[in-house]
Amino acid sequence: EAQVTQNPRYLITVTGKKLTVTCSQNMNHEYMSWYRQDPGLGLRQIYYSMNVEVTDKGDVPEGYKVSRKEKRNFPLILESPSPNQTSLYFCASSLLSSPEQFFGPGTRLTVL
Amino acid sequence: GNSVTQMEGPVTLSEEAFLTINCTYTATGYPSLFWYVQYPGEGLQLLLKATKADDKGSNKGFEATYRKETTSFHLEKGSVQVSDSAVYFCALSDSDTGNQFYFGTGTSLTVIP
Repeated sequence: EAQVTQNPRYLITVTGKKLTVTCSQNMNHEYMSWYRQDPGLGLRQIYYSMNVEVTDKGDVPEGYKVSRKEKRNFPLILESPSPNQTSLYFCASSLLSSPEQFFGPGTRLTVL
Repeated sequence: GNSVTQMEGPVTLSEEAFLTINCTYTATGYPSLFWYVQYPGEGLQLLLKATKADDKGSNKGFEATYRKETTSFHLEKGSVQVSDSAVYFCALSDSDTGNQFYFGTGTSLTVIP
């Protein structure tokens, strides 16, 4: 089944404790992206990648890192999480030739 | 720059009512336009899309027409069902900005029997 998977689905952590949220897709998509969803703000793009070893900042990259060492994986790294990073995070992927994005199920992160 | 403005919610309708959710956009290039739907507790799913001016996207009874002259992409459905209750997001993708996606803030729809 074609899908985007994210892990974990739920995470509660404390300020300053490094964490990684994994994202994997099995559709051979070149393009992958991370978003955060906050009430009243919709989805805002954090980082995106158009291919292996190519990453670019979205609208809200501060406090986040990403890497794209393999085509299928695009982990989101929070080196020192803070409470303002409490949010619902979505990973998405697409072909470069077609802008339709496929979304993962979301990761709800709480930083205390 | 690029941006999407969509109608504030929440919207509550009775079953079989007509639905319109307004969406306007600003783009530097020639964007593709999308409507995504998010059901409770789930990720976003593509509802429909249009890639050039005057295109009409349609799916599951929903329609939206890409209007370049009014920079709009309003979502419509002639007769809503309880199962249409969800949050709807308008979005654009502009190849001039490297396929970066821009979403509206979302409109929550509740359909009551």
